Amino acid sequence: EIVLTQSPATLSLSPGESATLSCSASQSVRDFLAWYRQKPGQAPRLLIYDASNRATGIPARISGSGSGTEFTLTISSLEPEDFAVYYCQQRSIWPPTFGQGTKVE
Amino acid sequence: EVQLLESGGKLVQPGGSLRLSCSATGFAFSDYAMSWVRQTPGKGLEWVSSTSASTANTYYADSVRGRFTISRHNSKNTLYLQMNNLRPEDAGVYFCAKDPKRNPVGTFEYWGPGTPVAVSS
Repeated sequence: EIVLTQSPATLSLSPGESATLSCSASQSVRDFLAWYRQKPGQAPRLLIYDASNRATGIPARISGSGSGTEFTLTISSLEPEDFAVYYCQQRSIWPPTFGQGTKVE
Repeated sequence: EVQLLESGGKLVQPGGSLRLSCSATGFAFSDYAMSWVRQTPGKGLEWVSSTSASTANTYYADSVRGRFTISRHNSKNTLYLQMNNLRPEDAGVYFCAKDPKRNPVGTFEYWGPGTPVAVSS
C-alpha cells in the first residue's frame, strides 16, 4: 500500500501568518490526493480533493497543489479555526491511505 | 444539510462482536457509496470498508477482511458495520463517511462524529 509522509509533524505559527504543509507519497498517486482538517474531539473535514479542488464551503485562503509524489497544502492568513491537525489521503491505489498528520499550533 | 450519526460503539471483550450503525439524513442515501474509517492510537486514520450505493460491491481492508461485514438498508437510510472476532488493535473511534459517487472512489466527503469502540478484557 502507498505510504504518505507528512512534514513537519508540528508547525508553530500565529494568527495571520501563512502555513505550508507537505505530503510525500511512496509512489505516484497522480493527482488523487485529498486534505482533511481535524479539530480535537471532532471528525475530519474534507478541505481539498484531487490535489487542488476545494470542497464545499472551504474558503479561497486554503489551497492545494502538487501531483505525482509531492503535494502542498497552503493556508494563508491563519484564523483561529485553522489551528488543528491536517491529514493527507490518497485514493489512487486501493486501499485509500492517510498520512500521520501535521499539527498546526 | 448532510448529517451522519454513528451509534453502537462500546466496550467488548477480545473475540467479541459488535454492530455499528450510521444514520444518514440530508441527502439521497441510496444514491451514494458509503464507507467506514477508524482512528486508532496505533495506526491513526485507517480506511476500514466501503460499499457501493446498491451494495453490489463491497471492499475491506486486509486487517478486517473475514471479520467485518459492511451493509446498508437504503429504505432506512442506515449503514452498518458488523464486527466479529474483535481484537485489541481494533479499538478506536469509528467514523462513517459519505462518498461523492455511487461507487466508492476513496474520497470521504462528509463524516459523522464517530462512535468509540474499546476492546479489552
